[in-house]
Amino acid sequence: QQQVKQSPQSLIVQKGGISIINCAYENTAFDYFPWYQQFPGKGPALLIAIRPDVSEKKEGRFTISFNKSAKQFSLHIMDSQPGDSATYFCAARRGSTLGRLYFGRGTQLTVWP
Amino acid sequence: EAGVTQFPSHSVIEKGQTVTLRCDPISGHDNLYWYRRVMGKEIKFLLHFVKESKQDESGMPNNRFLAERTGGTYSTLKVQPAELEDSGVYFCASSQVPAGNTEAFFGQGTRLTVV
Repeated sequence: QQQVKQSPQSLIVQKGGISIINCAYENTAFDYFPWYQQFPGKGPALLIAIRPDVSEKKEGRFTISFNKSAKQFSLHIMDSQPGDSATYFCAARRGSTLGRLYFGRGTQLTVWP
Repeated sequence: EAGVTQFPSHSVIEKGQTVTLRCDPISGHDNLYWYRRVMGKEIKFLLHFVKESKQDESGMPNNRFLAERTGGTYSTLKVQPAELEDSGVYFCASSQVPAGNTEAFFGQGTRLTVV
């Protein structure tokens, strides 16, 4: 059973546009929600993360929006750049599992110049 | 500082053969995780070591998979005998404390193809 559902599977955005990736979860015990960015041939790297006591976190062009009641969170990439083209994974963790992460299926983002 | 290193980068083996994947975590990281991504699916947890002890191996698919971490340093993941459904990318990650409280650093992965 998939614990974190991610959409869309692929996304094509023009340079300068906004990229939006959505994730949903069911387990209310999750208490940490990171996003990972993966370039071809590399491993996933932590991009930005949020805890459920805040509704939004922004780091540069990247923003996480979190809706606790809806059990949804999303990644917004403002002013998308060709260098942002990568696979993005949302994930979730619950405090009792010593760091085990539950990942979404990933979104392949392509930003056209 | 060296990151998490995995060997080999790619492996193609025949069904029924044995393959051993290796992970060298970041020096000083007691926590080591194995994950696997089957094509098009999510990255799935396999197991978690704290030093040389298996803290959680609930994600291991079956007894054809054996993970070890001798001396609490590098780890190996052996698949014996390999089946077609074992194909995928195997990731290793490490963290200084349980990754829930700090970032886990991932290796580049080993792409395993079983033919």
